Amino acid sequence: SQTIHQWPATLVQPVGSPLSLECTVEGTSNPNLYWYRQAAGRGLQLLFYSVGIGQISSEVPQNLSASRPQDRQFILSSKKLLLSDSGFYLCAWTPGSGYTFGSGTRLTVV
Amino acid sequence: GQQLNQSPQSMFIQEGEDVSMNCTSSSIFNTWLWYKQDPGEGPVLLIALYKAGELTSNGRLTAQFGITRKDSFLNISASIPSDVGIYFCAGVNNAGNMLTFGGGTRLMVKP
Repeated sequence: SQTIHQWPATLVQPVGSPLSLECTVEGTSNPNLYWYRQAAGRGLQLLFYSVGIGQISSEVPQNLSASRPQDRQFILSSKKLLLSDSGFYLCAWTPGSGYTFGSGTRLTVV
Repeated sequence: GQQLNQSPQSMFIQEGEDVSMNCTSSSIFNTWLWYKQDPGEGPVLLIALYKAGELTSNGRLTAQFGITRKDSFLNISASIPSDVGIYFCAGVNNAGNMLTFGGGTRLMVKP
């Protein structure tokens, strides 16, 4: 079966520290992969998407970057976190049953 | 980026009442999706609509793809406490590789 894994579930990081969030998909090949961010009580903002290994499109200028080192692996990174990077980060993939989301990572920058 | 207009932003209703929410867009979409998000979780797909005018049900949920392809609505009948959460509409672009989300409707149900 097709599943999406995202970790960690929660993360508290100091300002200026690096970040690495990982998302992996199982049971499929060559998926489109997406990173979204959701501020508290707000809608979902698309950050990055990838249609293949090494192919990254950025939707919003950010203090963040993304990489896709393997077909089913999508990584969200930052060299130096800002307070404004706090939020709920969601990975998603397609094709699948609609777009399928991971369970999310709640990042708090302190 | 572009965002769909979703309304209402929040609803506080009595258990057993019916709920209706909708999304409108200035752009045409080929697919409309409705998601529910529980606190601290990722959104879960409720209903997918693929054809203008399509009316689809999933239990107590009914959604329709507007005939103009620029809008969609979701109805929940006989609400129960576990319906609490945030509901999002999303439109899929022609290429099928991009979602545009509505701002969400926060539903609260009083037992």
